[in-house]
Amino acid sequence: KAGVTQTPRYLIKTRGQQVTLSCSPISGHRSVSWYQQTPGQGLQFLFEYFSETQRNKGNFPGRFSGRQFSNSRSEMNVSTLELGDSALYLCASSLADSFYGYTFGSGTRLTVV
Amino acid sequence: SQQGEEDPQALSIQEGENATMNCSYKTSINNLQWYRQNSGRGLVHLILIRSNEREKHSGRLRVTLDTSKKSSSLLITASRAADTASYFCATGIQGAQKLVFGQGTRLTINP
Repeated sequence: KAGVTQTPRYLIKTRGQQVTLSCSPISGHRSVSWYQQTPGQGLQFLFEYFSETQRNKGNFPGRFSGRQFSNSRSEMNVSTLELGDSALYLCASSLADSFYGYTFGSGTRLTVV
Repeated sequence: SQQGEEDPQALSIQEGENATMNCSYKTSINNLQWYRQNSGRGLVHLILIRSNEREKHSGRLRVTLDTSKKSSSLLITASRAADTASYFCATGIQGAQKLVFGQGTRLTINP
């Protein structure tokens, strides 16, 4: 079966711009989570969606937002980009929650200049 | 903030040797999962061990979990050059739909 698909793979944006990242989970998976990975902070949880509802949110500013569609595909948006937002953004899908384990996508590498 | 502490931060061994990585955590968990990451790519799920399990095997991987000590270890036997990667432990927290990751162990297998 197809894995978790994240688009785009690479992105370069300018400070102050906004960006939207996309994630298509494994077919049948209803939970989608987003993580940010940076050299300094490691892997940090952003938010999790299940059946179009946000169930959990990490400690990130309101500039970071997300949503999930009825087909379980998810998008995350970062507005007013800052240099510190440069990171690898990883999406993970699960049947329902961490009990079942997660499958991660290859990530989107965002560079803010 | 990270829940997990991984030890060592970096490990370099010869091909064919065994590699052991340790992970400690702070809160009650549903399960603990190990992931591998190659060169800043996506995370590959290796193994999941539930809080009521003590040991689990998958191919050359052996994971142990000691909930009384809040610690886990990952053993890779007969290492290969292709095992060179970063390894992360992640805890599934009771009541929360998320994983909390450790900082990872950078494993280098020398030919």
